Amino acid sequence: GAGVSQSPRYKVAKRGQDVALRCDPISGHVSLFWYQQALGQGPEFLTYFQNEAQLDKSGLPSDRFFAERPEGSVSTLKIQRTQQEDSAVYLCASSFLTGGPTGELFFGEGSRLTVL
Amino acid sequence: AQTVTQSQPEMSVQEAETVTLSCTYDTSESDYYLFWYKQPPSRQMILVIRQEAYKQQNATENRFSVNFQKAAKSFSLKISDSQLGDAAMYFCAYRSAVYSGGGADGLTFGKGTHLIIQP
Repeated sequence: GAGVSQSPRYKVAKRGQDVALRCDPISGHVSLFWYQQALGQGPEFLTYFQNEAQLDKSGLPSDRFFAERPEGSVSTLKIQRTQQEDSAVYLCASSFLTGGPTGELFFGEGSRLTVL
Repeated sequence: AQTVTQSQPEMSVQEAETVTLSCTYDTSESDYYLFWYKQPPSRQMILVIRQEAYKQQNATENRFSVNFQKAAKSFSLKISDSQLGDAAMYFCAYRSAVYSGGGADGLTFGKGTHLIIQP
């Protein structure tokens, strides 16, 4: 597609359930980022992929969070044994390496996770 | 590490009036990009305007313009002739132009300013 696509848009999970959030970036974009956005806050970096390589996962808040991009295109963010503090919007963004000539990141619409 | 500060949690403006949103940032780099993104309730981050640090001329996009003060590390957004559709969260963001192969290649965001347009 023309833009970054994320699914599901909304996910309600019971505490302790596992969830998987999908991101389909713009075709040809080497860089892929995941951000977590708590209510009323700015997005916070979670992890970064360059093609299939996860080069930075320093923002993942715990070992319950896992991300992959096995073929260098679609990425999945998995959260195991969800907790209430995981409730947030998860944003995916993609770009050319170094952002290309404009430095711009392109965002999906986000997946809103609510943990009950 | 870079930081971005938006000191106005909320701003309100009358329709058709002008409003300025403030942003300051801290960096030791000389080459970088600055952005203003708009996030309506739909959650889609929409790029409003972009500024390359090496350019002295302030960027403009129709009703949106910036006041980029590199020495002061200030990057404010001016919205002229405010419209109801401008109501949203506005985020100032920084991106290094130097490749690092990590999360720093992405954006560092401020906490956002909630813009309310009064009809």
